[in-house]
Amino acid sequence: AQSVTQLGSHVSVSEGALVLLRCNYSSSVPPYLFWYVQYPNQGLQLLLKYTTGATLVKGINGFEAEFKKSETSFHLTKPSAHMSDAAEYFCAVSVEKTSYDKVIFGPGTSLSVIP
Amino acid sequence: EAGVVQSPRYKIIEKKQPVAFWCNPISGHNTLYWYLQNLGQGPELLIRYENEEAVDDSQLPKDRFSAERLKGVDSTLKIQPAELGDSAVYLCASSLDSTSGTQMNEQFFGPGTRLTVL
Repeated sequence: AQSVTQLGSHVSVSEGALVLLRCNYSSSVPPYLFWYVQYPNQGLQLLLKYTTGATLVKGINGFEAEFKKSETSFHLTKPSAHMSDAAEYFCAVSVEKTSYDKVIFGPGTSLSVIP
Repeated sequence: EAGVVQSPRYKIIEKKQPVAFWCNPISGHNTLYWYLQNLGQGPELLIRYENEEAVDDSQLPKDRFSAERLKGVDSTLKIQPAELGDSAVYLCASSLDSTSGTQMNEQFFGPGTRLTVL
């Protein structure tokens, strides 16, 4: 069965610094991979997704992620953190490509941005 | 265009009481999901509907939880009776027809209902 691990439940970065949120997955077949962001008291919003093709995926708000099959990773990065990036980030995986969109979420990483 | 609407946003009840949550998906979205999100964790699927049919309810605790989507549009999730461990955020999401072959359709989430059971 597929699963998702996110290293570091809390990450703090200074404003303007690089953001790196780690995600590793386990799946016996090529997965679809996602990053979602959740702001306080709001639902989840899709940042970016990898399905097929180019392994470097660009998303909204300047975020990007790279699918590395050999490392079973899908880390999320942003070159320069902004105060508005403070939120909870969830990595997710899906391998149900033909029947329905069953998505398994990781435990989440809380990002704090220090002025 | 309105997003996924959920109500109430917050609910506080005493244990053993019933509670219900309501969700109105994005217009035209055939697929509706209910997720449970415990504090500090990612969402976990409770039930998924294709139109009015519950096609995946394997994670729904059926002894106390029930859900319906009678006309294939809005949906209600009910807990009766509530237990202390049910305190969590209940998220609703919707997507376009997810039976369209290999196409992965984005799920759009509502703001959730935060339930506190005392």
